[in-house]
This record gives sequence, C-alpha cells and structure tokens, in this order.
Amino acid sequence: KNEVEQSPQNLTAQEGEFITINCSYSVGISALHWLQQHPGGGIVSLFMLSSGKKKHGRLIATINIQEKHSSLHITASHPRDSAVYICAVRAGWGSQGNLIFGKGTKLSVKP
Amino acid sequence: NAGVTQTPKFQVLKTGQSMTLQCAQDMNHNSMYWYRQDPGMGLRLIYYSASEGTTDKGEVPNGYNVSRLNKREFSLRLESAAPSQTSVYFCASRINTVYEQYFGPGTRLTVT
Repeated sequence: KNEVEQSPQNLTAQEGEFITINCSYSVGISALHWLQQHPGGGIVSLFMLSSGKKKHGRLIATINIQEKHSSLHITASHPRDSAVYICAVRAGWGSQGNLIFGKGTKLSVKP
Repeated sequence: NAGVTQTPKFQVLKTGQSMTLQCAQDMNHNSMYWYRQDPGMGLRLIYYSASEGTTDKGEVPNGYNVSRLNKREFSLRLESAAPSQTSVYFCASRINTVYEQYFGPGTRLTVT
C-alpha cells in the first residue's frame, strides 16, 4: 500500500481551466510538500505546508490534517504549467526531514 | 550561486562496470540526499547525509555506496552496475533549520 497517493495520474486541460490535483496520505506527518518537475527533468519546490492554505501567484495549496488530504489548485491554467506535480510528506516529528513521495500527476495544458 | 550541481548528466554503463555520480552544493546546506526516480514510481531515497561525516541508508540502498567528502560534496558510487539500476538519479540538499529540499538537475543512467 502506497503511503502517499495522488490523483489523477494524468490530467489534460484546456488553457484557462481551473485544475485540481489531489494527494492523500496514510501516515502521521509534520508537513506536506508540493513539487513541480518540468519536462526537462528539473524538480523545484512549490509549497511546504502543515496546516491551512498557501497561495503563490496562480497556485494554491490546501491541507486538511484530520482528513489526511491535500489539494493543489491552478487557476487560469497555461501551457507553461504543463509538468509533473509531486506530493511528498515528511513523516512524524523529530525526523531527519526525509520525505515520502507520491508517484506524481502529469499535467498537460493545451492551448 | 549554482545551487545543486550533478555530473554527469547522462551515462551508459555495461553490466558490472563501476562509476561515481558526483553532487555538489554551494548553499552551505547541512543535509544531502540521493534519490532514484523510475517510471511509475515516486522518488525513492537511496542514502542521505545529515551532516558532514555522517551517512545513513534510505529506502533502497542495496548496490550503492556514498561518501560525504566535505560539506559541499556527496557522491554516489555503483561498484558493479546492474540493469536494475537504470534510472534517473537526483541529488538534493537542505539546511537543517528548513525542511525544503533543493534538487539537482539529475543524472540519467542506463545500464545495458
């Protein structure tokens, strides 16, 4: 059983659409990360959150600790948002900060 | 600042050959990590180093060795490469007071 599950695995959207990517986890966590992996392979951190909601530009991340669920929203999607979005959790408190990763959601935004 | 750099970018090995993947960071980070990424799977931790002079096994350490040469550099060695080690390898680092990790560009390794 995967400790971090993402849905959907693949997502195709038209430019301008509102996009939601979901992440569920089964372990107790101290924080959750959203990362973006571009087609060229590079990985960048988008958000790190342990409660509530964070916003950066057109990206919004929310987390519900009780339900063990997080969502990443993209408003007014654009072809340059096409990438793999990865959810990762940091398990427990006092850990080394090691992350458990989901398999990723591949997003393709068509013009 | 270059951030996290990895060399080489691509490598093809024959079964049984050895090689070392190099990783360096110029952000004065304490912790460094080696991951592998395979199709249909999430990133998996191979080894990590919480500080200079220390290394620990991650989820999939078999077939690999690491060296934390100094605070900047963390290398990953394959002593006898196997086709199952065909993967994309990422190095990452972070400062111990912040949990955000910074990733290198990756090394695509093929073992034939």
